[in-house]
Amino acid sequence: GESVGLHLPTLSVQEGDNSIINCAYSNSASDYFIWYKQESGKGPQFIIDIRSNMDKRQGQRVTVLLNKTVKHLSLQIAATQPGDSAVYFCAENGGSGAGSYQLTFGKGTKLSVIP
Amino acid sequence: KAGVTQTPRYLIKTRGQQVTLSCSPISGHRSVSWYQQTPGQGLQFLFEYFSETQRNKGNFPGRFSGRQFSNSRSEMNVSTLELGDSALYLCASTGGRGADTQYFGPGTRLTVL
Repeated sequence: GESVGLHLPTLSVQEGDNSIINCAYSNSASDYFIWYKQESGKGPQFIIDIRSNMDKRQGQRVTVLLNKTVKHLSLQIAATQPGDSAVYFCAENGGSGAGSYQLTFGKGTKLSVIP
Repeated sequence: KAGVTQTPRYLIKTRGQQVTLSCSPISGHRSVSWYQQTPGQGLQFLFEYFSETQRNKGNFPGRFSGRQFSNSRSEMNVSTLELGDSALYLCASTGGRGADTQYFGPGTRLTVL
C-alpha cells in the first residue's frame, strides 16, 4: 500500500541552529498532513498540520512546507533548543469520509540537539 | 481539559492469552483511533471509532478488535496473543468533524512472553 517515508533517520544540530526534517509521501490523494514529536516514554505530541490547499503554515518556531508537485513535506524548527530533541514523525490522513482519521506515519527522524 | 488517558500503562502477558486495553478520550471528543507502535514497523493504524461505530480499519488480523461506548470511551482487545504483539498501543482522539487535531495518549506498553 501507499506509505509515508522519511529521508533521514537521524539529524544532529547545534543548539541555536535551524533544523529541517523532510518527509516524502506517495498518496497524491492525501489532503491533510501532520507533524508529531515523540519523546521517550510518551505518546506523539501534535506540532503543526497543513491541508493540501496550502503550501506553507507557520507556528511558534516551526514551519511546515508542502510541495504537492513532488509530494514532499518538511518541518523547519527555528533556533533549535535542547528540548526539541525527540523523534519527529510526519503523517498523512487517509481516512474515508469527512472528519475520519486513518493516519499513515513515516518511520521517524531522531533529532539530537548538541548544546 | 484532561488529556487522553490510557489504562493500564504497562502489561505483561503470555502467548495465547487475551488482553483488553482501555482509552478515555478528551472530553467532548467523539472519534477514537488506535495505533500500534513497534521498533520494526513504526506507527501503524489499527482502527477508528466514531459514535460507537468502526469508521476505518487498518490491516491487522481479526485477533485485534475494538469497541466504543456511548460515552466515547474505547477498548481494544487482542486475542490469542503472539510474541509479535509486543508493542506500545496508542490511542488518539479528535472531535471527529474534520480538520481537528488528533491528540494522543501516553500509550499502553504490552509485553508478550
